[in-house]
Amino acid sequence: ETGVTQTPRHLVMGMTNKKSLKCEQHLGHNAMYWYKQSAKKPLELMFVYNFKEQTENNSVPSRFSPECPNSSHLFLHLHTLQPEDSALYLCASSQDHRLDEQFFGPGTRLTVL
Amino acid sequence: GIQVEQSPPDLILQEGANSTLRCNFSDSVNNLQWFHQNPWGQLINLFYIPSGTKQNGRLSATTVATERYSLLYISSSQTTDSGVYFCAVVASNSGYALNFGKGTSLLVTP
Repeated sequence: ETGVTQTPRHLVMGMTNKKSLKCEQHLGHNAMYWYKQSAKKPLELMFVYNFKEQTENNSVPSRFSPECPNSSHLFLHLHTLQPEDSALYLCASSQDHRLDEQFFGPGTRLTVL
Repeated sequence: GIQVEQSPPDLILQEGANSTLRCNFSDSVNNLQWFHQNPWGQLINLFYIPSGTKQNGRLSATTVATERYSLLYISSSQTTDSGVYFCAVVASNSGYALNFGKGTSLLVTP
């Protein structure tokens, strides 16, 4: 238990569906992150939020839309995804957005049909 | 961007053996972490070690920042040590992302 939770743990969706991934951290951290782990690539950053403000978007397609209503919650809204978007989506948090240790949630394993 | 290379890519050990995993990085870093990813995908923090040496039970790690490498030592390995070990760094001169290596896949056999 890292103090970072993610729901759902598994998700299967069609290309025309809209779904959302949720992340919550109980560590009192100020920065939250979305990472993607797919079969053919190393873990890569998608988005960074620091004090609810987006500070980095790693050239992510607009079919992925993040939302950070407060420092404890982070969402990833998904729409019109492609099968190649199937991956493990990991949320992380840290006290500071550059210097401190990052802690990861258990991930959501997404399959796009 | 910064390059992170891990070696070896795969490792098979018999229970009780010791091993050393290596991480080389191409630029100066603010943050270096070692993770163990279990079969369900959870990344478990092993060490936060941008420089120096740390030990935690059978595991220890050393980072020589000036020479741009880090080592993870596993002693008296157990079957539960199996999984993928990742090294990840935050570059000093750009961004906030942890840049991950491709990992070392470890299998410890009874």
